[in-house]
Amino acid sequence: KNEVEQSPQNLTAQEGEFITINCSYSVGISALHWLQQHPGGGIVSLFMLSSGKKKHGRLIATINIQEKHSSLHITASHPRDSAVYICAAALNTDKLIFGTGTRLQVFP
Amino acid sequence: SAVISQKPSRDICQRGTSLTIQCQVDSQVTMMFWYRQQPGQSLTLIATANQGSEATYESGFVIDKFPISRPNLTFSTLTVSNMSPEDSSIYLCSVELARGSYGYTFGSGTRLTVV
Repeated sequence: KNEVEQSPQNLTAQEGEFITINCSYSVGISALHWLQQHPGGGIVSLFMLSSGKKKHGRLIATINIQEKHSSLHITASHPRDSAVYICAAALNTDKLIFGTGTRLQVFP
Repeated sequence: SAVISQKPSRDICQRGTSLTIQCQVDSQVTMMFWYRQQPGQSLTLIATANQGSEATYESGFVIDKFPISRPNLTFSTLTVSNMSPEDSSIYLCSVELARGSYGYTFGSGTRLTVV
């Protein structure tokens, strides 16, 4: 069993739909990251969470430390949101453990 | 936050040759990380590069195959040596924004295809 698991692996949506991607982890963490990877391979950091909820534009990330679970929500999805979304657990050792990613495709 | 310039963005290489990937950061950082992402897989840490000391390699990765240089606090290179098709992957560098901050910035990635 992976230490960081994401669901779903693949997600398709129509433009405008509300999207949720889930991440569960089994290790003790210092923070949890949500990352966005575009087709060229580059990664952009979206959020770093250690508790509660963060919002940036149409993106919302939440974390429940007791349940070891985090979610990334996209409101009013758009085709430009199409990417792979990765959650990563930051351990106390400066290392990250990555989930396998959720491939999102938003169609017009 | 730090900005990383990673080069090359992609390359197609012949088996048996070597490729050096460069990462330049616009600010001084203590720790730099090199990752490999094989097709359809999550990122795997290759090694951690600290300035002034040898890189620390993760299990399954060795210096002869993936030599790393870290000549100063803003620059690092990863070389993929004696390449085979199994080395075809995306390679990424990353830095921790401040020691103990748990915030990270990533490079734009190098997509390597070995033929």
